[in-house]
Amino acid sequence: DAGVTQSPTHLIKTRGQQVTLRCSPKSGHDTVSWYQQALGQGPQFIFQYYEEEERQRGNFPDRFSGHQFPNYSSELNVNALLLGDSALYLCASSAQGGYGYTFGSGTRLTVV
Amino acid sequence: AQRVTQPEKLLSVFKGAPVELKCNYSYSGSPELFWYVQYSRQRLQLLLRHISRESIKGFTADLNKGETSFHLKKPFAQEEDSAMYYCALNGGTSYGKLTFGQGTILTVHP
Repeated sequence: DAGVTQSPTHLIKTRGQQVTLRCSPKSGHDTVSWYQQALGQGPQFIFQYYEEEERQRGNFPDRFSGHQFPNYSSELNVNALLLGDSALYLCASSAQGGYGYTFGSGTRLTVV
Repeated sequence: AQRVTQPEKLLSVFKGAPVELKCNYSYSGSPELFWYVQYSRQRLQLLLRHISRESIKGFTADLNKGETSFHLKKPFAQEEDSAMYYCALNGGTSYGKLTFGQGTILTVHP
């Protein structure tokens, strides 16, 4: 089992552009959460998807949106990128009723 | 609102010494508390959670609701324990929104 897979590993974008990050959850997991981790900070919750719907959302603007597909994989989209969006974006998957969250290695986004 | 505070960004100990990583939380309900660890060049992984009351790699953590703390302890630190440690809180829902502290970098010197 490959665990949680995220792509791409690294990404450089220009301010104002749009970006899409992808996540495949661990086998058997149906819930995907996204986190933003700025340098020197702990991960911050962006939102969570379950049954293809956004179930809970953190304190992030509408520029951050997502999607979950029938196979439970997920995308994170960020529009109108700002320099402050530069961070490591982590995907975590879990199973309903289960404890613990399996994290991916993350996508390092740099906005220039 | 839920908040997790890890007061020490850096913690250094010598091999064989006891280690305690502090975590304080703010939450009005009954929280789930976790410790996550990130070793060099590895992904974030669950170390332990308070519900299970288990010991992983010699680490234990006790939830103290009176002091709103969930400190991580190990009686004899090993060099391989050097890593970034995050305390995290799940605010009582089944939805799993984790609130993380800023993390503590533990360095165990030989």
